[in-house]
Amino acid sequence: EVHLVESGGGLVQTGGSLRLSCAASGFTFTSYAMSWVRQAPGKGLEWVSTLNDNGGATYYADSLKGRFTVSRDNSKNTLYLQVNSLRVEDTAVYYCAKDHWPLIMFGGPIGHFDSWGQGTLVTVSS
Amino acid sequence: EIVLTQSPGTLSLSPGERATLFCRASQSVSSSYLAWYQHKPGQAPRLVIFGASSRATGIPDRFSGSGSGTDFTLTISRLEPKDFAVYYCQQYGSSPYTFGQGTKLEIK
Repeated sequence: EVHLVESGGGLVQTGGSLRLSCAASGFTFTSYAMSWVRQAPGKGLEWVSTLNDNGGATYYADSLKGRFTVSRDNSKNTLYLQVNSLRVEDTAVYYCAKDHWPLIMFGGPIGHFDSWGQGTLVTVSS
Repeated sequence: EIVLTQSPGTLSLSPGERATLFCRASQSVSSSYLAWYQHKPGQAPRLVIFGASSRATGIPDRFSGSGSGTDFTLTISRLEPKDFAVYYCQQYGSSPYTFGQGTKLEIK
């Protein structure tokens, strides 16, 4: 069974930084692209970033480029999101999510997600 | 960026009734790369439909998806109490991937 467990969220002041982690188990981590999706309080889901199997290809929402960096450690089956220069509007639950199909099937990330973690809450205060 | 607009914002129905949720895209969604998710408070989102009409693993056949181009529909034929949640559509045919704002399906 697939398990995704996020950690690293917390309360931080504007301009601060956090490193979010997502520990994965129950599947061959290196075979799948992984993503981060967030949900601000009372709002809908927002795609943040996607990373292919070896970190060679990364994709970001335009509004977050330059402040957020996605990476992975395949030896630890862990996905990361470094979030810098945090703003109040970055307050959200951050979910990690697994691509539905392995990378080999389509030659790259497919972009929809069949497994999600429970999320980690990031609160940015002014 | 493809903007997805879901309607209605809230749908109030009773168990046993049929639910029809809509998702309209601001431009054509490539290859019908459209997914639907179910999201309950405090839980992880759950993939319901992908490729506009394919049910995800474990999703009962009460759920069906249809549509192409810019107009998509999620239908739940006979609502059960566990189906009441927020449903989001998502397009993954072009970057950035985008979600609709959600439809809240609530018990009447």
